[in-house]
Amino acid sequence: GQSLEQPSEVTAVEGAIVQINCTYQTSGFYGLSWYQQHDGGAPTFLSYNGLDGLEETGRFSSFLSRSDSYGYLLLQELQMKDSASYFCALSSPGATNKLIFGTGTLLAVQP
Amino acid sequence: EAGVAQSPRYKIIEKRQSVAFWCNPISGHATLYWYQQILGQGPKLLIQFQNNGVVDDSQLPKDRFSAERLKGVDSTLKIQPAKLEDSAVYLCASSLGRQGATPNTGELFFGEGSRLTVL
Repeated sequence: GQSLEQPSEVTAVEGAIVQINCTYQTSGFYGLSWYQQHDGGAPTFLSYNGLDGLEETGRFSSFLSRSDSYGYLLLQELQMKDSASYFCALSSPGATNKLIFGTGTLLAVQP
Repeated sequence: EAGVAQSPRYKIIEKRQSVAFWCNPISGHATLYWYQQILGQGPKLLIQFQNNGVVDDSQLPKDRFSAERLKGVDSTLKIQPAKLEDSAVYLCASSLGRQGATPNTGELFFGEGSRLTVL
């Protein structure tokens, strides 16, 4: 099977940089995605790493290392609106865009 | 472009009753998913459709849950009879994904979800 682990909570201050880690166990996958979910809202797609290395999208960057079974999401210039839950998700092989989600990290941004 | 539509947004039922949720995906999206999200956890895939065929239903509790996607567009998820542990948000998502044609991008488009409380 597949499993993904994330820290349950992270706290940071406005304007700072925070890194949310994701470690996984899988026999094979296409890539690692990141989603943001505000309380009571829909998960929204942030980033996807199909290859090892860093992907940058505005204030958000995501990293994948297949050899270490590890990835992270980096949020820069934190804003209050970034307070939300963040999920990593593996794209499972054998089906189109089948996603298995991690446990989620609740990010609290303080003024 | 209209997003994924789901209804109802909220539903409260007694255990052993039945409930149905409806989802209308983004126009043109071939793949549709139902996820269950229990409070404080990540979404768990229940079933995945490619057009009107089932791709994966390995995590669907088939003794009480059923889902269909007639004509490859709208979908309904039914629970009968409901148990207390079914209290969760049921999320519908869609993606372009056409088997063998669309590269895997890891991007799904989610609806706002249907929040079920079983008393």
